Amino acid sequence: NAGVTQTPKFRILKIGQSMTLQCAQDMNHNYMYWYRQDPGMGLKLIYYSVGAGITDKGEVPNGYNVSRSTTEDFPLRLELAAPSQTSVYFCASREKQGATYEQYFGPGTRLTVT
Amino acid sequence: AQRVTQPEKLLSVFKGAPVELKCNYSYSGSPELFWYVQYSRQRLQLLLRHISRESIKGFTADLNKGETSFHLKKPFAQEEDSAMYYCALSGNYGGSQGNLIFGKGTKLSVKP
Repeated sequence: NAGVTQTPKFRILKIGQSMTLQCAQDMNHNYMYWYRQDPGMGLKLIYYSVGAGITDKGEVPNGYNVSRSTTEDFPLRLELAAPSQTSVYFCASREKQGATYEQYFGPGTRLTVT
Repeated sequence: AQRVTQPEKLLSVFKGAPVELKCNYSYSGSPELFWYVQYSRQRLQLLLRHISRESIKGFTADLNKGETSFHLKKPFAQEEDSAMYYCALSGNYGGSQGNLIFGKGTKLSVKP
């Protein structure tokens, strides 16, 4: 049981390049989330998914896209990288049932856009 | 508006001293509040949640609805408590229920 995994751990992109941040969980969780954390700031919600085939925007979705073709995977796509997207990206998941709302986090991907 | 405020960026104490990490929130409704911790080179993990009224690693936090606060306390700090601490509120963004709204975090440094 690996929990939530993210790849890559680090990445440097040039302005205008594209990339996909991978996220997978093996806990059969329906809910999955993408957050970004800028230096000195709290995590902000980019996109979320309540199940396979269902995604929706969070607080800061501009410049990103997601898909959820399976319960396990929730990739985040950056189409035209910009310096403002330099951040640490965290993926998280939680169970559908239960009122505790505990989220399980991946280790993060540190992205630099230059 | 849903918001979490952690007023201290850094809190430095000596081993054995009491610790209080402050957290205030803004939320219309009944909030679910959490403390998450991130130790060096580790992932973010849940420390405790208000609904459980539990003590984890000697830490406790009481929800005070009148003061809209959820401060984290420990009577005697240990060096291994040094970490980043995030207060979080279970939001209701777009009806998703369960997304977390985070404060900016407080770095706790416990000196020997």
